Amino acid sequence: DTAVSQTPKYLVTQMGNDKSIKCEQNLGHDTMYWYKQDSKKFLKIMFSYNNKELIINETVPNRFSPKSPDKAHLNLHINSLELGDSAVYFCASSLGTGADTQYFGPGTRLTVL
Amino acid sequence: GQNIDQPTEMTATEGAIVQINCTYQTSGFNGLFWYQQHAGEAPTFLSYNVLDGLEEKGRFSSFLSRSKGYSYLLLKELQMKDSASYLCAVSRYGNNRLAFGKGNQVVVIP
Repeated sequence: DTAVSQTPKYLVTQMGNDKSIKCEQNLGHDTMYWYKQDSKKFLKIMFSYNNKELIINETVPNRFSPKSPDKAHLNLHINSLELGDSAVYFCASSLGTGADTQYFGPGTRLTVL
Repeated sequence: GQNIDQPTEMTATEGAIVQINCTYQTSGFNGLFWYQQHAGEAPTFLSYNVLDGLEEKGRFSSFLSRSKGYSYLLLKELQMKDSASYLCAVSRYGNNRLAFGKGNQVVVIP
C-alpha cells in the first residue's frame, strides 16, 4: 500500500548513457513532481504535471524529459548522462496545485561514473 | 524570487527541546511547510502554517509570523529518532512550486 513509489532505488551508470526513472502514486492525486537533491542536500523542483499536463518546467537541461502517461504516473528520462547529474531524484504528488501538501517517494540515487 | 534561510546544524540531548528557525523573503506568500528527512530517506510532511500563530501536533509545534517572514519548528521531549534534517519550504500564490531551504541537521545525543 505504498503511496508514492519509484524505481529503481539505485542507478549506477556510465557517462553518456540514457536512463529512465519511473514513479507511480496510488493516492488519487492530480499533481506530480520531480525534484533533484544534490550532495549538499538542497532539494530543487525540476518539473510538475497536473492531470498529465506540464505546468512547471524549471531551468533544466533538455536532456531531461518527463513523461506522464496518466495522472498516476510520472517518468523521467535522462539522455547523455553527465557526472553532474549524480544526485538523488525524488518524485512527489499532491492533491492539486497551490499549497496542497506534497508527498514524496523514496528517491532514486543516481550515480554517474 | 525567494530567499529562504535556515541554520545548518545543531546538537541536542535526548529529552531536551530544540527550536529550528526559518526566515524567508518572498512575494505572494501562500504558506510554509516543515518536512523531516532522515538520512537516505524521503522528506515527510510535518506541518503547514498559513496564518500567524502556533500550530501544535504532539511533540512538534510550528509557528509563523507573516509580517516578519519567520517561522520556527519546536521539537519537545527529543528522542533519538528525531535525529534528521528539518526542511522548511515556502509556497507562493499562483503556482505550486515549493521553494525549500537547505535544511537544518539535528543530531540527538544520549
